Amino acid sequence: DSGVTQTPKHLITATGQRVTLRCSPRSGDLSVYWYQQSLDQGLQFLIQYYNGEERAKGNILERFSAQQFPDLHSELNLSSLELGDSALYFCASSVVANSPLHFGNGTRLTVT
Amino acid sequence: AQKVTQAQTEISVVEKEDVTLDCVYETRDTTYYLFWYKQPPSGELVFLIRRNSFDEQNEISGRYSWNFQKSTSSFNFTITASQVVDSAVYFCALSVMDTGRRALTFGSGTRLQVQP
Repeated sequence: DSGVTQTPKHLITATGQRVTLRCSPRSGDLSVYWYQQSLDQGLQFLIQYYNGEERAKGNILERFSAQQFPDLHSELNLSSLELGDSALYFCASSVVANSPLHFGNGTRLTVT
Repeated sequence: AQKVTQAQTEISVVEKEDVTLDCVYETRDTTYYLFWYKQPPSGELVFLIRRNSFDEQNEISGRYSWNFQKSTSSFNFTITASQVVDSAVYFCALSVMDTGRRALTFGSGTRLQVQP
């Protein structure tokens, strides 16, 4: 158990809808990262937060947004969903820069 | 920009065989970190090892060993006497001390199948 909790585990929704994925980092970890894993794109970095502030952006679409709350949990919001957004979304946390990332079990999103 | 290449898409071995997973990385930074992660069929990503760019010592942990060679920009992973439980997708990843960016760049992964 990595200590990173992601909910829900599975999500099935229709095109055009909006969903929110939630992540609770390991106790003491200030950094939260979101990754998307799809068959054709592999593991893609989306966005990083550190202690409530956005620190880095990767290949995140404008339809996607995230935030980290004062209690350090994070949410990833996906809107105007398309079939191609179907993927496994991972959250990870770390203590400091370049320390190992510890990943949650992921949320599998299926857009129909 | 950083890049990680895992040229082996899939490897199949028979139990007890040794297997090496290749990883080649590209970066202009002199300070960086390399990682290996395992993704078993259940889907979670499990951290295996981290090396920094200044430490080229090979590391051994049980049946796992890692060979880091800066001269060839490689960070290869060997499993000795493979077991069925080693069946998983293995990812090599790179992190650099870029301004504000601490995220990992992952390779495309190598799927290892260990047959009984």
